[in-house]
Amino acid sequence: NAGVTQTPKFQVLKTGQSMTLQCAQDMNHEYMSWYRQDPGMGLRLIHYSVGAGITDQGEVPNGYNVSRSTTEDFPLRLLSAAPSQTSVYFCASSPTGTFYEQYFGPGTRLTVT
Amino acid sequence: AQSVAQPEDQVNVAEGNPLTVKCTYSVSGNPYLFWYVQYPNRGLQFLLKYITGDNLVKGSYGFEAEFNKSQTSFHLKKPSALVSDSALYFCAVRDRGRRHGGSYIPTFGRGTSLIVHP
Repeated sequence: NAGVTQTPKFQVLKTGQSMTLQCAQDMNHEYMSWYRQDPGMGLRLIHYSVGAGITDQGEVPNGYNVSRSTTEDFPLRLLSAAPSQTSVYFCASSPTGTFYEQYFGPGTRLTVT
Repeated sequence: AQSVAQPEDQVNVAEGNPLTVKCTYSVSGNPYLFWYVQYPNRGLQFLLKYITGDNLVKGSYGFEAEFNKSQTSFHLKKPSALVSDSALYFCAVRDRGRRHGGSYIPTFGRGTSLIVHP
């Protein structure tokens, strides 16, 4: 049981490039979410999903897309990277339908130059 | 709207002493409250939650938290701190009656860095 896995661990992009951050969970959790963590800002919700085929925007969705074709996977796409997207990104999943307890992945540290 | 405040960026405590990490919240209805811990270069780990019932909640690693409705607080406590408790601690709140697009999304605080000195 690997829990929540994220790849890559580190990534450097140039402004304007696109990429996909991968997230997978093997706990059959319904709910999944993406956060970004910036110094002094805590965690901010980017997008979330309440099940396969269902996604919605969080607090800071601009510049990011998501899809949920399977229960296990929830990739986050950066359409055209900007320096303001330099951050640490965390994926999380929740075993119930109410976000009581979230299981977080190890994070992806992204730098956009 | 729901919000959570962690008034201290950093808390310093000597090993063996009791520790408190403060959290206050604001919701329009009744809250669900959570504490998470983040060790360096790791993801967040769930510590404990308050849903209903007893105001004193016990969690992992000897931590506990007390829900105080009149003061809208949910402070994290431990009777005797360990150096290994040094980490970043996040409080989160969810309004029981609040839906965000049909789902219940907690709001996280900015985090408090706990440093336990030997």
